[in-house]
Amino acid sequence: GESVGLHLPTLSVQEGDNSIINCAYSNSASDYFIWYKQESGKGPQFIIDIRSNMDKRQGQRVTVLLNKTVKHLSLQIAATQPGDSAVYFCAAGGAGNTPLVFGKGTRLSVIA
Amino acid sequence: GAGVSQSPSNKVTEKGKDVELRCDPISGHTALYWYRQSLGQGLEFLIYFQGNSAPDKSGLPSDRFSAERTGGSVSTLTIQRTQQEDSAVYLCASSLGGGAGGPIGELFFGEGSRLTVL
Repeated sequence: GESVGLHLPTLSVQEGDNSIINCAYSNSASDYFIWYKQESGKGPQFIIDIRSNMDKRQGQRVTVLLNKTVKHLSLQIAATQPGDSAVYFCAAGGAGNTPLVFGKGTRLSVIA
Repeated sequence: GAGVSQSPSNKVTEKGKDVELRCDPISGHTALYWYRQSLGQGLEFLIYFQGNSAPDKSGLPSDRFSAERTGGSVSTLTIQRTQQEDSAVYLCASSLGGGAGGPIGELFFGEGSRLTVL
């Protein structure tokens, strides 16, 4: 089965700096990857996703990079803002009727 | 409603009691998931419903846990004879779903039901 792990449980960055959150997955058959943001007391919210036929995808201030060779996924947040403070989860899944497997999350703290 | 709705938002119960947690998915979403999140931990998969297919129950931690989805919409997660280790936030999510060979798609999460077993 799939297992997903984050490299760091916590990350602190200065406001305005770029943030990079890393994630590793184990199952080379996983072909769909997604990042979620969870603020305190709320459910996770979708940030960005990427399929295995891509190695980079950009959104608004966020970029997801996928390295299938080493089964590594990263989320880059540009010009980090206080509102970005949250726990970030990566998740991986396969095609078809398989549930997403989530990592344990990285808590991002933005220092003003 | 516009999003996934879960009830109750908070539930305190005594050890040994049964509890039921409800999830109303987004209308039209064929896939529904239950996850459990213990304090400071990640999301632990419990069960997954996709359309009329048999649910994937592989994540249920014991036979005290069960879930059903009626009419392809509302789902109820039942925990029998609750134990203190069942204390967690139970999150429900729905998606448009995939089907064989298709993409999973973005999951839309509810705010969760916080269960405390005394």
